[in-house]
Amino acid sequence: SQQGEEDPQALSIQEGENATMNCSYKTSINNLQWYRQNSGRGLVHLILIRSNEREKHSGRLRVTLDTSKKSSSLLITASQAADTASYFCATDGAGGTSYGKLTFGQGTILTVHP
Amino acid sequence: NAGVTQTPKFQVLKTGQSMTLQCAQDMNHEYMSWYRQDPGMGLRLIHYSVGAGITDQGEVPNGYNVSRSTTEDFPLRLLSAAPSQTSVYFCASSSPGSFTGELFFGEGSRLTVL
Repeated sequence: SQQGEEDPQALSIQEGENATMNCSYKTSINNLQWYRQNSGRGLVHLILIRSNEREKHSGRLRVTLDTSKKSSSLLITASQAADTASYFCATDGAGGTSYGKLTFGQGTILTVHP
Repeated sequence: NAGVTQTPKFQVLKTGQSMTLQCAQDMNHEYMSWYRQDPGMGLRLIHYSVGAGITDQGEVPNGYNVSRSTTEDFPLRLLSAAPSQTSVYFCASSSPGSFTGELFFGEGSRLTVL
């Protein structure tokens, strides 16, 4: 069963604009991660936020986590054409180690037009 | 570092044929996993391993077999290919000692079953 639902499914913006993607999940978690996938490539880890954190920043990325609503958002500021990719949220299970098992959302396809 | 290496990158099979997708990592990671990616479905976990000699089923294990004889290698076997197994397959690895818990992905193996 899919843990995460991502919204929107596709997002098209102009270079320089901000892009916001949302993720909802169903069960309690230890951590939530965001990954990026360029077309035809493997997934690359972007950022991790722990269940006791509310916000985290990394360069142009800002991630928020609301465990009461079981939701997270990824904000990419000042988007560039090179940010064009699919973005996935991924969660582990609460309690203990995840053993490297993550449950992925369906992804948001971001297109940034030059 | 090569990271996670998957072979082959592309494969076409006929229904009923068997084959093995290879996965090797050179990061000495304990955890390895196989995911399949289908349009609109995100990634779904097929099988995973927490160390040499230890494997377990994920969300969609039917029709697939795995073994883990070494830390480095985690092959995925399709026993009797079916059109429903047409997908892109990703191998991933991670370390239990990782602060970020991130998965490192291979570039994927695109399989078509006719």
